[in-house]
Amino acid sequence: DTAVSQTPKYLVTQMGNDKSIKCEQNLGHDTMYWYKQDSKKFLKIMFSYNNKELIINETVPNRFSPKSPDKAHLNLHINSLELGDSAVYFCASSRQGGYSTDTQYFGPGTRLTVL
Amino acid sequence: GQQLNQSPQSMFIQEGEDVSMNCTSSSIFNTWLWYKQDPGEGPVLLIALYKAGELTSNGRLTAQFGITRKDSFLNISASIPSDVGIYFCAGHGGSNYKLTFGKGTLLTVNP
Repeated sequence: DTAVSQTPKYLVTQMGNDKSIKCEQNLGHDTMYWYKQDSKKFLKIMFSYNNKELIINETVPNRFSPKSPDKAHLNLHINSLELGDSAVYFCASSRQGGYSTDTQYFGPGTRLTVL
Repeated sequence: GQQLNQSPQSMFIQEGEDVSMNCTSSSIFNTWLWYKQDPGEGPVLLIALYKAGELTSNGRLTAQFGITRKDSFLNISASIPSDVGIYFCAGHGGSNYKLTFGKGTLLTVNP
């Protein structure tokens, strides 16, 4: 049983294109996250949604737009892709957030390559 | 913002050796977590620490939440080849939902 799943696993695209990455969790969690892992393996949070509401929005270009149609899904749409967007993007979820000590469970990642 | 300093950046050890890595922070955390990432996969939680001074084991892994709440260490005893991967510390604290990650320790185990 896949807890946090992402599609696609790999995404290769040309600069300037628009693309989406999808994430779904079947854990019944309330909070979902998007992280970016750069070539040096540094993991940095981009967005977080709690019950479909945006609660964390780090300094991310507005070309990145998350959308949460329901609390089990958090999709990431990227407009006008740039070379620097190449990275591995991880979705994660946790039962709650904030002061809770709930563990974040990560998806397998989407490797985005912008040519 | 909160920052975590994780060391060492990388380690090359022989199978059977013990390993130690640590993280320090400029600010207090309420929770310390240790994750492992295998190539091509997402991070997987190894150990979670919730109280200052807490010492927790998971098989050959032992981690401690520092008394000052600004540091944590992870020990791996009797390393085996499948211990290879990147180990991340992460801290959860404050009034937001953010989990701050260290930069990772790349562990290589020579059989």
